[in-house]
Amino acid sequence: SSELTQDPAVSVALGQTVRITCQGDSLRSYYASWYQQKPGQAPVLVIYGKNNRPSGIPDRFSGSSSGNTASLTITGAQAEDEADYYCNSRDSSGNHLGVVFGGGTKLTVL
Amino acid sequence: QVQLVQSGAEVKKPGASVKVSCKASGYTFTSYGISWVRQAPGQGLEWMGWISAYNGNTNYAQKLQGRVTMTTDTSTSTAYMELRSLRSDDTAVYYCARLVVVAATPDYFDYWGQGTLVTVSS
Repeated sequence: SSELTQDPAVSVALGQTVRITCQGDSLRSYYASWYQQKPGQAPVLVIYGKNNRPSGIPDRFSGSSSGNTASLTITGAQAEDEADYYCNSRDSSGNHLGVVFGGGTKLTVL
Repeated sequence: QVQLVQSGAEVKKPGASVKVSCKASGYTFTSYGISWVRQAPGQGLEWMGWISAYNGNTNYAQKLQGRVTMTTDTSTSTAYMELRSLRSDDTAVYYCARLVVVAATPDYFDYWGQGTLVTVSS
């Protein structure tokens, strides 16, 4: 199956902008989706498709993609954005109806 | 509002089976898929597979082929995930998630259940 690679940890100063990246061959063919997970809670969808936010997700969250890399950008990070973030996309090798997740990025807001 | 409510925590012995349920409400059940994702303690998300609630077609992660079965009961809008021959490394929180399906292919997970802790221990 395909693999998606994320940096294990990223930090950002309060109010600054941070980009969390996700790399993988499948991203050349498919969009990534992004999920936020806080300790002890279920994941929450924050970005899907080209750059779509579900209802209730602040507009400081945005997504982009180039080549084999998808990015989640938080513009003006808030303390409540401290969480783990996971990307996922369809599998582009072997199981074309399957899904893969990245390993996750722990975001710390300083 | 869309809700996915999962069954309670389970403790199983190695070699046993577990069946977790996920009852959906607030939307037309057969218009979406249901996917199962697990998370071992302190680890990341692992996709297990998905089932179309429309026609019952399934797609499983290769790693779990032969040990996992996903089903749905459209009369009660409930999805089930059964995992057999449990091992200690199956200890995890198991989530169901509503899967948006486009042209019979998986797209993204827009609602998640609260999670079910399955502990495998002798």
